Amino acid sequence: NAGVTQTPKFRILKIGQSMTLQCTQDMNHNYMYWYRQDPGMGLKLIYYSVGAGITDKGEVPNGYNVSRSTTEDFPLRLELAAPSQTSVYFCASSPWGTDTGELFFGEGSRLTVL
Amino acid sequence: KQEVTQIPAALSVPEGENLVLNCSFTDSAIYNLQWFRQDPGKGLTSLLLIQSSQREQTSGRLNASLDKSSGRSTLYIAASQPGDSATYLCAVPSNAGGTSYGKLTFGQGTILTVHP
Repeated sequence: NAGVTQTPKFRILKIGQSMTLQCTQDMNHNYMYWYRQDPGMGLKLIYYSVGAGITDKGEVPNGYNVSRSTTEDFPLRLELAAPSQTSVYFCASSPWGTDTGELFFGEGSRLTVL
Repeated sequence: KQEVTQIPAALSVPEGENLVLNCSFTDSAIYNLQWFRQDPGKGLTSLLLIQSSQREQTSGRLNASLDKSSGRSTLYIAASQPGDSATYLCAVPSNAGGTSYGKLTFGQGTILTVHP
């Protein structure tokens, strides 16, 4: 099973450029999440979704947008990239999304903004 | 707001040693606590999930305990091996006492190095 797949794995952007990080899961999970991880820090939630067509902000949503048109896909859009968005981005999914559920993570997308 | 702290930030031990990683959280009204492992350049893998009704959970050489009243959890690794070298993170639901929809608040992690 593929699990949670993220693309691209690495990307370098110039300030002001835009891009989309792709995330796909093949486990039919309703709940999906985007986190960012900065060096020496834990993960911080950017956006999450509890099902197709439903998204909500997490702790650090500024500068990002998401959409959830299908159960499988949860892309993260960066508009007008800034150096502060240099980070490693992780997509995750959960079968139940309740407080008893386990999270499954992708391998991450490392983004550098210069 | 839930906050999670992990101590120590880094730990280096010789192979074979037993070790303890610590995690503390500020709001004790949590439903569960998870421990994750992260290998360099990789995503997170869930190691153990402890429900609030449990005091500990075991998987192989790993044992995690949870003391909600004191806001603490420990991850015990027995007979450590070089393959255990990784970053270990703990996480709790972000909305303690309410529905988090799976949203988690993470500690900053403990970087473990086990040398032969």
